[in-house]
Amino acid sequence: AQSVTQLGSHVSVSEGALVLLRCNYSSSVPPYLFWYVQYPNQGLQLLLKYTTGATLVKGINGFEAEFKKSETSFHLTKPSAHMSDAAEYFCAVSHTGGFKTIFGAGTRLFVKA
Amino acid sequence: EAGVAQSPRYKIIEKRQSVAFWCNPISGHATLYWYQQILGQGPKLLIQFQNNGVVDDSQLPKDRFSAERLKGVDSTLKIQPAKLEDSAVYLCASSLATGGETQYFGPGTRLLVL
Repeated sequence: AQSVTQLGSHVSVSEGALVLLRCNYSSSVPPYLFWYVQYPNQGLQLLLKYTTGATLVKGINGFEAEFKKSETSFHLTKPSAHMSDAAEYFCAVSHTGGFKTIFGAGTRLFVKA
Repeated sequence: EAGVAQSPRYKIIEKRQSVAFWCNPISGHATLYWYQQILGQGPKLLIQFQNNGVVDDSQLPKDRFSAERLKGVDSTLKIQPAKLEDSAVYLCASSLATGGETQYFGPGTRLLVL
């Protein structure tokens, strides 16, 4: 069975500081991994995804994530936080064959001025 | 291109009443999803359609929830009768296919059951 664990329901950083949101997954087959962002009163929007190929994936708004199979991790990073990054972030896992996507519980990012 | 449309945006009902939500996916997207997002949690898949056929409804409470996707385009999700624990945001999403495809989400319908 697949599962996703996001470490830390809330993360607070100062503007300009490094953002690190942690995600670990469990999957019995090669996974597809996603990060989505949700702004207040909006639906989810894809930040980036890993399916195959290069393990370092770059997404929108300066975010990137690295797939580490040995650590079963897919942590999200951004070198310098901006106030507009304040939102909730969801890590998700799926795989080929049409298996349903499993979402983590989410991490709310706060950015302090 | 137009995004995923959902209506209504907000709904307040009393327990044991019925409610229906509507979703229009992005044109050409074969796969349509309904998720339930309870406050403080990630989205949970209720049902997934491929065209107008059901791919996965294992987490749909079938005694009270039903969904259909007419002609493989738009979809409705119904709750009858509603319970207090159904209070949540109901998200509709669509994608070209399944697996590694990006899901595009609508703004959601926020349901409050009193």
